[in-house]
Amino acid sequence: AQSVTQLDSHVSVSEGTPVLLRCNYSSSYSPSLFWYVQHPNKGLQLLLKYTSAATLVKGINGFEAEFKKSETSFHLTKPSAHMSDAAEYFCVVTRSDTGTASKLTFGTGTRLQVTL
Amino acid sequence: DTAVSQTPKYLVTQMGNDKSIKCEQNLGHDTMYWYKQDSKKFLKIMFSYNNKELIINETVPNRFSPKSPDKAHLNLHINSLELGDSAVYFCASSQAVSGGYYGYTFGSGTRLTVV
Repeated sequence: AQSVTQLDSHVSVSEGTPVLLRCNYSSSYSPSLFWYVQHPNKGLQLLLKYTSAATLVKGINGFEAEFKKSETSFHLTKPSAHMSDAAEYFCVVTRSDTGTASKLTFGTGTRLQVTL
Repeated sequence: DTAVSQTPKYLVTQMGNDKSIKCEQNLGHDTMYWYKQDSKKFLKIMFSYNNKELIINETVPNRFSPKSPDKAHLNLHINSLELGDSAVYFCASSQAVSGGYYGYTFGSGTRLTVV
């Protein structure tokens, strides 16, 4: 079994300030974790993924996330927010082992608002 | 070149109708998926096929029937559409069944509105 909890449904930051979107996960298996972004009326774009390699994962557009097994967390950060970062962000978990059918379990999403 | 393409992008139809959504991937992936995003933006898996074989079938009304004519295509047919079927449907693919290991590519979604 697996589940994801995104701790904030809505985060508001000023442009140029840091972004922190929090995600906790639960998994009976060794997990793979992803962050996806969805801009209004658009599809899902992969920001970054953790698949049991380096625990600090760098993604696109300056985002990064750190896998902390002891805290079962995978928080998303960015040093300086840009207006174009305003979107819905989804934390996602699945199992990382090969040869087994896997399905993505999505969190409920965090809406990031960026103000001037 | 679009990696995972869905058609149509928008679909507005009346209750009781039957409709299909098509998905094609040109990545050479073996595994394809359908996900549903509801009005609260929650995403949940519906089906997965690997090399034309159904491998994941979540608790979905049997009005929904997926079909995979070959490993590059996964279509979703919906019978007797209901208001509650209104959602955005996303197709995705992965290199193999172990999507968590290889990663996933999503299509841009089909917004279905049932009136």
